Amino acid sequence: QVQLQESGPGLVKPSQPLSLTCTVSGGSISSGSFYWSWIRRPAGKGLEWIGRIYTSGSTDYNPSLKSRVTTSVDTSKNQFSLKLSSVTAADAAVYYCARGKWVEDAFDIWGQGTLVTVS
Amino acid sequence: DIQMTQSPSSLSASVGDRVTITCRASQSISSYLNWYQQKPGKAPNLLIYSVSKLQSGVPSRFSGSGSGTDFTLTITSLQPEDFATYYCQQGHSTPHSFGQGTKLEI
Repeated sequence: QVQLQESGPGLVKPSQPLSLTCTVSGGSISSGSFYWSWIRRPAGKGLEWIGRIYTSGSTDYNPSLKSRVTTSVDTSKNQFSLKLSSVTAADAAVYYCARGKWVEDAFDIWGQGTLVTVS
Repeated sequence: DIQMTQSPSSLSASVGDRVTITCRASQSISSYLNWYQQKPGKAPNLLIYSVSKLQSGVPSRFSGSGSGTDFTLTITSLQPEDFATYYCQQGHSTPHSFGQGTKLEI
């Protein structure tokens, strides 16, 4: 059974970059018709889609974050990563990685989430 | 960008009740509408995809309907474990967007 696990610093200083990695276990990141996404939930707010990456390297980002977001995938490590530059307090959130299904564009498997504080 | 609006924002119900949550898209999203359940401290869990298709392992008391811009999630015979926050999400076009959530409370 495929599982996702986020990792990275839980505390980031303002203006510094935020870097997170999602490790995929129980299956190959390259198999099946899936893409790999980042989604966040600021405290007291709803879910915000950050972006997605295919194992081909193709990406889509939320325009509201596009100038600061970079994602990458390392198929040899079964991992994908998020980098968000120049963070502010508004970027504090629980960050989730998730698997997206190509056809339905639904997120069927999620990581447990990792809390990122900006201070 | 497509905006997703859920109603109500919160809902009080009792075990055994039938509840309906609605989700409206700012433009037609065809059948690219998904529903998630989130409990405190947990990741969202996919309940329904493509408007009405039940994700594997999800109880049949959950159902979805709708098309175009208006969609509903119905839970029949509420169980204690159903009290949570529910989100709709459109997968029609990027940026994929979520509704603001509906908190289902006892």
